[in-house]
Amino acid sequence: KAGVTQTPRYLIKTRGQQVTLSCSPISGHRSVSWYQQTPGQGLQFLFEYFSETQRNKGNFPGRFSGRQFSNSRSEMNVSTLELGDSALYLCASSLGTGDSRELFFGEGSRLTVL
Amino acid sequence: AQRVTQPEKLLSVFKGAPVELKCNYSYSGSPELFWYVQYSRQRLQLLLRHISRESIKGFTADLNKGETSFHLKKPFAQEEDSAMYYCALKANTGNQFYFGTGTSLTVIP
Repeated sequence: KAGVTQTPRYLIKTRGQQVTLSCSPISGHRSVSWYQQTPGQGLQFLFEYFSETQRNKGNFPGRFSGRQFSNSRSEMNVSTLELGDSALYLCASSLGTGDSRELFFGEGSRLTVL
Repeated sequence: AQRVTQPEKLLSVFKGAPVELKCNYSYSGSPELFWYVQYSRQRLQLLLRHISRESIKGFTADLNKGETSFHLKKPFAQEEDSAMYYCALKANTGNQFYFGTGTSLTVIP
């Protein structure tokens, strides 16, 4: 089974720009979550999508948004980038139902904002 | 408010010595706790979950609701245990996890 795939792996943007990150989950997984990882804060939950619906949302400003497509692929968008948005953005997929608890992580998209 | 605390950012032990990585949590509901591990140049992956009460790679963790702790233990550390360890708490709704800030474990040969 192919793992969780995130693209792009690295990107550099300037303040004020916007960015879109993509995540392809493991086949059959319907839940996709996004996390922001920074050295000082660790992993912070952004949002979770399940069957194209946002099921949970973390405490991030409205500049952070996401969506999920019918094939479970997900994208997250950050508008009006700020220097503090520089981070590793991790996507994780899971079955999302029943006893399934395990998150399967991608390698992340490393965003640098200049 | 939900919170997971890992008080040690860095932990070094000698090979063969016992190791304990601390994790404390605060959560108003019934907690589900996990340990995730990230080895060098690998993805973050599940190590163990309290609900399974299992031992993985010699590691165990017991949920202590009285002390709100979920410490990770191994009696004899191995060099291959060197990694970053994250304690995580799953919210009751959906698939939202709260992660600690992680402990970097180094096992000295």
